[in-house]
Amino acid sequence: DAGVIQSPRHEVTEMGQEVTLRCKPISGHNSLFWYRQTMMRGLELLIYFNNNVPIDDSGMPEDRFSAKMPNASFSTLKIQPSEPRDSAVYFCASILRAVDEQFFGPGTRLTVL
Amino acid sequence: AQKVTQAQTEISVVEKEDVTLDCVYETRDTTYYLFWYKQPPSGELVFLIRRNSFDEQNEISGRYSWNFQKSTSSFNFTITASQVVDSAVYFCSLSGTYKYIFGTGTRLKVLA
Repeated sequence: DAGVIQSPRHEVTEMGQEVTLRCKPISGHNSLFWYRQTMMRGLELLIYFNNNVPIDDSGMPEDRFSAKMPNASFSTLKIQPSEPRDSAVYFCASILRAVDEQFFGPGTRLTVL
Repeated sequence: AQKVTQAQTEISVVEKEDVTLDCVYETRDTTYYLFWYKQPPSGELVFLIRRNSFDEQNEISGRYSWNFQKSTSSFNFTITASQVVDSAVYFCSLSGTYKYIFGTGTRLKVLA
């Protein structure tokens, strides 16, 4: 299995630009998570989907952030407009069952100048 | 409310020393799961162990061992005879009813 795939691995953009991060979960997994990791705030759960439906988006910081999961094999996290404080590593993870461990992607390192 | 506390921000040990990473959790769920993950300097997050709330048996895997005590709401992780390759950030995590919580992590530095 290829594991969780994230793209791009690195993204550098300027403040005000739109950023779209992509994630392909492990085939057959039915829950997907988006996390943000910074030195100051640690690992934060932004949103998670179960069977493509958002279950908990209470971690999404503000309206500039949005996430979609149009099908079982693809999800996006969009930031519009981006700000320097959004600079972080964004991880995507997936699980087969609610009781299972999470399989993490390699992360996307986002830098907003 | 659910919460995971890893009070040790950073620990430094000399190679071959034993080290214990603490994890204390809070939850109202009667059924829940606890996890440990490792994040080496390369940045990926790697699963180490899962425990459910009904299984308090301690577990040993090579140099790693885990002590789960419901009475103190703790799920501690011990590395025996630490090695430089154990240097990483270790996260404790709790999952319950539609909730997934990570602790703030403990950075372990193993010095040669």
